Parts: sequence; structure tokens; C-alpha cells
Amino acid sequence: RKEVEQDPGPFNVPEGATVAFNCTYSNSASQSFFWYRQDCRKEPKLLMSVYSSGNEDGRFTAQLNRASQYISLLIRDSKLSDSATYLCITSGTYKYIFGTGTRLKVLA
Amino acid sequence: GAGVSQSPSNKVTEKGKDVELRCDPISGHTALYWYRQSLGQGLEFLIYFQGNSAPDKSGLPSDRFSAERTGGSVSTLTIQRTQQEDSAVYLCASSGDRGKGGLHFGNGTRLTVT
Repeated sequence: RKEVEQDPGPFNVPEGATVAFNCTYSNSASQSFFWYRQDCRKEPKLLMSVYSSGNEDGRFTAQLNRASQYISLLIRDSKLSDSATYLCITSGTYKYIFGTGTRLKVLA
Repeated sequence: GAGVSQSPSNKVTEKGKDVELRCDPISGHTALYWYRQSLGQGLEFLIYFQGNSAPDKSGLPSDRFSAERTGGSVSTLTIQRTQQEDSAVYLCASSGDRGKGGLHFGNGTRLTVT
């Protein structure tokens, strides 16, 4: 079993839709959690950290469920520019573990 | 801006040649990571530096791969006797707070071995 698992997608959604991704992790000692965005042939970029109480940044909401060991990302009012691969990442003392990513395509 | 800088951005080399990839992290970031990403694949961890030491080299694929970091800053990843399967994008990232602050990536070096 992979340490961090994501549905690879693709998720094809119309503009304006709400879409949610989940990510499960196996290491209960994981301390920090992040969502990254990676555009085609570009480097990953930090989208948002995920806090225990959940957090929101504009149209993006991240949630952490430690008991069930998953994190989620909700995107409201999807834009064409949201099309990308979304990577779930956990970390412990120093090591960052990446999921393989979920591809999102927002369609006009 | 003072982000992570990698050079070269592209490198084409012949099979059997040695290559050296360079990473200049964000100033003050003590943690530095090298990853590799093949086309359409996820990120593969190669090595982690804390300061000048590398407590985790577990991801280096073979003894043809080595990396060093000097002055707690610039790092070089060296691949000797390159093979076609080494073709990938090599990404460097740095972090200022071990495991907590997230990673800041450079633009990567796209290596093509012909």
C-alpha cells in the first residue's frame, strides 16, 4: 500500500462546478499536510497547508481527518484556470511524502 | 524574486556521459531535497540534505548518482555514465522548517539522455 493515495482522475467538471478530492495516508505519525498544484511540465507549487481545524482560502477549502487518516480539498466555482494536477503531501520530521496526484480538467 | 534556482533548465547528453545539475536554494533554508519526475509520473524522492549533511540518501537509484552540498547552500547532483532511463525532470526543493513549512521547488532541469 502506498503511503499517500489519491484517485488519479481525471475529474472532468464544467466551469462553475464544485469538486472535491480526497487523499488517504497510512502513517499515523504524519505531522503536516499540504495540497500542491502542478501544471503540465511545471514544478509543483504550494496551494495551501492543511490545518487540523480545516482552513479556507478563497474558493479552496482543505480539511484534515486524523481519525480516518485522510485530507480533502474542495474547490468551489471551478475556473478553467483550475485545470491542473493536485498533489497531496504529508510530512513527518523531515520527509515529504507525495501522492501521485489527481488530474482536474475544468471544461468550458 | 529569491526563489529556488536550478541550472541548467535543459540538458541533452549522450549515453555514457556524466552530468552535473545545480540547485541554489532559498537563502536561509537549511533543508534541501532532490526529486525526479518522469513524464506522466509522480515525484520520486532522491536525497535530503540538512545543512551540508545528507541523512537520507535512500532514494538514489544507483551508485552512479551522487550529490553534495557545500556551505549549507548550493547543491549539485551528479549522474555518472548516464543511461536513457535517467531521462526525467530533476527537481530541487528547499524548506526553512523541517517537515512543517512546505517545500519550495525550483523550475527543474529536464535531462534527456540520447
